[in-house]
Amino acid sequence: AQSVSQHNHHVILSEAASLELGCNYSYGGTVNLFWYVQYPGQHLQLLLKYFSGDPLVKGIKGFEAEFIKSKFSFNLRKPSVQWSDTAEYFCAVHGSGNTGKLIFGQGTTLQVKP
Amino acid sequence: DAGVTQSPTHLIKTRGQQVTLRCSPKSGHDTVSWYQQALGQGPQFIFQYYEEEERQRGNFPDRFSGHQFPNYSSELNVNALLLGDSALYLCASSFTGFNQPQHFGDGTRLSIL
Repeated sequence: AQSVSQHNHHVILSEAASLELGCNYSYGGTVNLFWYVQYPGQHLQLLLKYFSGDPLVKGIKGFEAEFIKSKFSFNLRKPSVQWSDTAEYFCAVHGSGNTGKLIFGQGTTLQVKP
Repeated sequence: DAGVTQSPTHLIKTRGQQVTLRCSPKSGHDTVSWYQQALGQGPQFIFQYYEEEERQRGNFPDRFSGHQFPNYSSELNVNALLLGDSALYLCASSFTGFNQPQHFGDGTRLSIL
């Protein structure tokens, strides 16, 4: 079955700490990969996406993610977090066999302490 | 440029009732998808509409149905509501095609008493 697994459910960091959120997926074909962020009281926003090409993709607000095909992983990173990064982060996969279905992980709540 | 808009914002219903949620896609988008997000979980795909037809469906019972209108707006209908239907219902719109990211609305919070 197709699935997405996010390893960390709740992460607490101090400002300026580095961040890495894990995401692994299960899908046998070509995939598009996404990270979405949901700030408190706001809607889901696209943070970054991978379709093809360079496996290291850069998104908004200094976030980046690396697609490692052999590991079925798409981990999210940021070198130095800010208090304003406090939010819920979702990894999502769109498989080539699906016309529009996004499969989401269960989400990771990031709390950044000032 | 208007984003995805959903109405109503909040809704309270009782078991057995029926509910209709509405979604207007982002300007120019022709494809609408609906997701259910239970508390503490990631969104789960309900179905997607394109050219006024249901193009793909997730693992949801027939009590969940939808519609897309010629102006690309969409409705989600849920019949015979159960307590377990309490969730945030998200609408997402996109251009059709594989390499098209989905843009989400604020959602409708549905509570079943």
